[in-house]
Amino acid sequence: DIQMTQSPSSVSASVGDRVTITCRASQGISTWLAWYQQKPGKAPKLLIYGASSLQSGVPSRFRGSGSGTDFTLTISSLQPEDFATYYCQQADSFPLTFGGGTKVEIK
Amino acid sequence: EVQLVASGGGSEQPGGSLRLSCAASGFTFSNYVMTWVRQTPGEGLQWVSSISASGESTYYADSVKGRFTVSRDNSKNTTDLQMNSLRAEDTAIYYCAKRFRYCSGGSCELSWFDPWGQGTLVTVSS
Repeated sequence: DIQMTQSPSSVSASVGDRVTITCRASQGISTWLAWYQQKPGKAPKLLIYGASSLQSGVPSRFRGSGSGTDFTLTISSLQPEDFATYYCQQADSFPLTFGGGTKVEIK
Repeated sequence: EVQLVASGGGSEQPGGSLRLSCAASGFTFSNYVMTWVRQTPGEGLQWVSSISASGESTYYADSVKGRFTVSRDNSKNTTDLQMNSLRAEDTAIYYCAKRFRYCSGGSCELSWFDPWGQGTLVTVSS
């Protein structure tokens, strides 16, 4: 199984800050990576797929990058509605696996 | 508007069975891979099972293989997850989700998913 390791597990930031979250795969997955946002009590929402493609309707302040084993999600200017937990997911092979999540909290 | 509504969750004793259902609307259901993902506070998100658009191919996490069965009825726009021999570690919120976009080639089941349903809580406890 491909293990997905996210860091940090939590980050405190202020509105307007730039936030970077990383996801590392235990083996190369090319660009078979997605990022999801989850708010409390809600289902996850797809933000980025194919490591860097923005899902329709997602604000352009979200940017994904990386390939192989190392990936990054960057929020260029944090907005109040961005405080949530973010997960990466690989789709290179079964079983599909998720990272442990990164909680973005208000400083 | 795409909608996925999961139902069937509840409390069950270890060794028991539950059947989850996911009702879909707002898209051509028979064209899309569907998946089930569960979430626990301690384990985060865990993929459970996926089923091809036609229903001919199914995929399972090792932790549920042989106990859970995924199916779909493209005439009713539903996908079900039959869960047998339930264990305490199956306790979670179960989400159904749709492949994020139409796929007609191979390996469509290896994918990302959007949107997700609202989730249904399964509790396994004696």
